[in-house]
Amino acid sequence: AQSVAQPEDQVNVAEGNPLTVKCTYSVSGNPYLFWYVQYPNRGLQFLLKYITGDNLVKGSYGFEAEFNKSKTSFHLKKPSALVSDSALFFCAVRDGGAQKLVFGQGTRLTINP
Amino acid sequence: DAGITQSPRYKITETGRQVTLMCHQTWSHSYMFWYRQDLGHGLRLIYYSAAADITDKGEVPDGYVVSRSKTENFPLTLESATRSQTSVYFCASSADRGHGTQYFGPGTRLLVL
Repeated sequence: AQSVAQPEDQVNVAEGNPLTVKCTYSVSGNPYLFWYVQYPNRGLQFLLKYITGDNLVKGSYGFEAEFNKSKTSFHLKKPSALVSDSALFFCAVRDGGAQKLVFGQGTRLTINP
Repeated sequence: DAGITQSPRYKITETGRQVTLMCHQTWSHSYMFWYRQDLGHGLRLIYYSAAADITDKGEVPDGYVVSRSKTENFPLTLESATRSQTSVYFCASSADRGHGTQYFGPGTRLLVL
């Protein structure tokens, strides 16, 4: 079965510093990987996805993610964090052909002014 | 562009009562999904539907019933609510063709007393 793991429950970063939110995956076949963000009292918003091609994927709000097949990782990054980036982030992988997604447990990102 | 909406946004009910959560999408997406979000569990899939009149169980279907008579609607019913069903419920939809990107509604916060 497909799965993803987010090894950090919480990440704290100072404003202006680069940020990384980690995700590793386990799949059979080629992975379809996603990042979502959830702001307080809101639904999940799609940030970006990796399907094939360039290992660096750019998404919304200045976020990008790096796909690394040898390390089975799909880490989310941003060069310079903003306080408004504080949110809950979920990594997900598509599970087979039924358009289902399997989500990680989530990582709470806090950007300190 | 209404997108995907859920109603009610907040609901308080009592143990043993029947509750129906509504989900409506305006994109004509084939796939629709119901998740619950609980602390420590991330998002867990309850039921999903590939098209009108086609539904299937997800990871945690017990105690829930779904139907999909129209493409745009996907109601979730708790036939006899229990306290363990206190949660935040999210509906999502996904196009038939594509890589599985799901778009989420704003959520329904349900409290079962």
